[in-house]
Amino acid sequence: GDSVTQMEGPVTLSEEAFLTINCTYTATGYPSLFWYVQYPGEGLQLLLKATKADDKGSNKGFEATYRKETTSFHLEKGSVQVSDSAVYFCALSLGSNFGNEKLTFGTGTRLTIIP
Amino acid sequence: NAGVMQNPRHLVRRRGQEARLRCSPMKGHSHVYWYRQLPEEGLKFMVYLQKENIIDESGMPKERFSAEFPKEGPSILRIQQVVRGDSAAYFCASSPLKTSGYNEQFFGPGTRLTVL
Repeated sequence: GDSVTQMEGPVTLSEEAFLTINCTYTATGYPSLFWYVQYPGEGLQLLLKATKADDKGSNKGFEATYRKETTSFHLEKGSVQVSDSAVYFCALSLGSNFGNEKLTFGTGTRLTIIP
Repeated sequence: NAGVMQNPRHLVRRRGQEARLRCSPMKGHSHVYWYRQLPEEGLKFMVYLQKENIIDESGMPKERFSAEFPKEGPSILRIQQVVRGDSAAYFCASSPLKTSGYNEQFFGPGTRLTVL
């Protein structure tokens, strides 16, 4: 079945460090790929997405490129801030009829940025 | 525009009791998804509903779990005769009517169910 594997956490970095969180997927079709972020006590928020191969999603300094050849969608940020501390989820959706865009999630990576 | 509301935020039940989790979608959204997050695991899809219709319940356990999204009022996820293994965070997400492209799902803060 479809699945998402992402980097085990927790990850702790110093402010202004470079961030990479790895994500790979297995899917029977051509999925759309997403990164969601969850801040403490809140629901998940869409951070960025890419809907086809070689697309690059970007938002708030974060980027991820849809790599079909390596089935990957790694999340990167050049200089992290304390406010980036959260749990990050990689996810895919294959879509279907009737508007069903259910998401398949990875296990999440907890990121802590220290000043 | 208020976000997706879920209540209660925390729910404690004893084994054998019933749990009712409520989700009010964002205004104008007619699609609701329920996901479950077990400890140390990612979110797992449970069910997808449109107003008065269950479209996809492939992720729902076959027994004790049911969901509805009536014409009026919130979506309800109901768990009968809860067991300790039902302890998890339950997230609801809503999205608008599909027009074209991807319709973003907006998530609620979740209900954390603890079964004693």
